[in-house]
Amino acid sequence: AQSVTQLDSHVSVSEGTPVLLRCNYSSSYSPSLFWYVQHPNKGLQLLLKYTSAATLVKGINGFEAEFKKSETSFHLTKPSAHMSDAAEYFCVVSDRNNDMRFGAGTRLTVKP
Amino acid sequence: DAGVIQSPRHEVTEMGQEVTLRCKPISGHDYLFWYRQTMMRGLELLIYFNNNVPIDDSGMPEDRFSAKMPNASFSTLKIQPSEPRDSAVYFCASSFMGGGYGYTFGSGTRLTVV
Repeated sequence: AQSVTQLDSHVSVSEGTPVLLRCNYSSSYSPSLFWYVQHPNKGLQLLLKYTSAATLVKGINGFEAEFKKSETSFHLTKPSAHMSDAAEYFCVVSDRNNDMRFGAGTRLTVKP
Repeated sequence: DAGVIQSPRHEVTEMGQEVTLRCKPISGHDYLFWYRQTMMRGLELLIYFNNNVPIDDSGMPEDRFSAKMPNASFSTLKIQPSEPRDSAVYFCASSFMGGGYGYTFGSGTRLTVV
């Protein structure tokens, strides 16, 4: 069975500084990996996905993530944080079409 | 496409009452999922359908919960009778060909049972 661990429950950065949200996964198969973002009182929006193509995946709003099989990691990064990036971020793993496992989430705070 | 549409956005009900949550998936999507989100337990998969047929309902907490999908464009999640511990945000999501391409989520229904 697959699982995902988000290593930080809360990350705080200053506006304009880099963002790093960490995610490790466990999977018996070649996984598909996703990052979702949830703004307050909103639904979840897909940021980016990895499905066994290029290991560096670019998403919306300047985010990207790198799949590292040797480290079983899929960390989310952004070079420069914006105030609008403040939200909850979920790392998700799927190794079968119908079984997606969500991490516990990382709350990103962006300070002015 | 308007995305996954859920109604109502907010529901406040008294303990013991029946609650029905509604979802309209994206046209052409063949999978539909119901999730519950709470602070304590995070996101939990309750049930999912493929081509209107329930495939896995092992996440449904108890018999008070039931879900139907009478056609490809509509699904309901019903709680009868409701209890305060059912208070949560309930999300519906749909996808094409399962989870490999990611899900599209609705905006959720915030349920408060008093």
